[in-house]
Formats: sequence, structure tokens, C-alpha cells
Amino acid sequence: GENVEQHPSTLSVQEGDSAVIKCTYSDSASNYFPWYKQELGKRPQLIIDIRSNVGEKKDQRIAVTLNKTAKHFSLHITETQPEDSAVYFCAAPKGGKLIFGQGTELSVKP
Amino acid sequence: DGGITQSPKYLFRKEGQNVTLSCEQNLNHDAMYWYRQDPGQGLRLIYYSQIVNDFQKGDIAEGYSVSREKKESFPLTVTSAQKNPTAFYLCASSIFNSRGNEQFFGPGTRLTVL
Repeated sequence: GENVEQHPSTLSVQEGDSAVIKCTYSDSASNYFPWYKQELGKRPQLIIDIRSNVGEKKDQRIAVTLNKTAKHFSLHITETQPEDSAVYFCAAPKGGKLIFGQGTELSVKP
Repeated sequence: DGGITQSPKYLFRKEGQNVTLSCEQNLNHDAMYWYRQDPGQGLRLIYYSQIVNDFQKGDIAEGYSVSREKKESFPLTVTSAQKNPTAFYLCASSIFNSRGNEQFFGPGTRLTVL
């Protein structure tokens, strides 16, 4: 079925620590995995994405890893800062649309 | 910002009224989407359109209607049949690709039923 599971639903870290959010998907044909960040009251914005021909992609403090065999992918944020506090959504494609995870509320405490 | 706009930003509706939310994009994207977001919740797909004059129901289409007469526009009507319409509504667009592509979101419309 069309299902993307995201964990944890909330995550609290100290400034400077790392944060990891994990998602699993069910459709083995999926090959595009984006991560969106949504600040309070704002629109979701893409922060990083990965296609299935690579296992990892990094952009400064943000990285995404993909395990196609296990059908899961993860967002890694290193050296977290208070401005990283937001809700993060993963997604996977299905029939031309994106199926979103339920979101993770990340809180970075100074 | 991103070439996709929504209006109005805030909308108040009395019970029993239909209201229409506007979504326009100048990104030349074929596909457009409407999502509903409730407090502390994820994004639930209402309707989507992959090409002009065609659209499909999403997961929560009941009580909503759409049209896609122009590539740039994908208005959403919240009808009186929608029993709990108070929510944040997000429109998005993308290049259509069955393998998936980045969706660009509009700023959203916050609808409140009085």
C-alpha cells in the first residue's frame, strides 16, 4: 500500500548535538526521497533530496542516507542550531504524487 | 517566492457557505496539488492534477471540489458538505514525473469556520 512511516514524532536535542530522523516506505519502485522543513506557520521547503542511484547525499550540516534493500532513509543534521527547530517531513513517490510521513517536530535547545 | 501563490492568506467562513481558495503558479509545472494540514498533523492530499482538464481525488476529497481549466491555476472549493473545514490549506506544484520530483509549495491559506 501507500505508506511512509516517520520516526520519531518529536525530537529534542541540545544545540551542537546531532539529530537523526528515520522513514520507511513500502513501495519498492520508489526512487526519489525528499525531505522538507516547515517552520511554524510557513510553507514546507525542500532541504535535501536523494535518488535511488546513490546511497548518501550531503549538503553542509545536512545529509540523507538511503537503504533500498531495507526500504528506509534517514535525515542527519549535525551541529544543530536553534534555527533548525521546525517540523521535518519525509516523502516518497507513488503514481506521480508524493506520500508524506507524519512529520517530526525537532526542538533544538540553546 | 518560488513562483506559486495562494490567496487569501486568511479566510473566514460561516457554516453552510462554500468558499474558493486560489492557487496560481508561473513555474510552467504540469502537476498541481492541494493538501490539508491540521495542527500538529502531516500533509493530507485532497486533490491533484497532472495535466490541464484532468484531476484525481486524493485521500480526503469528500466535501471538496477542484477545477483545472488552465495550466497555471488550480482553485479549490470547500463546500458546505465538508463538516470540519477549519485547517491550513497548502497548494503545491511540480514537473510531472511518475518517479517523483520536488514539489514547490505556496504560502498557504488558513481557513476558519465561524
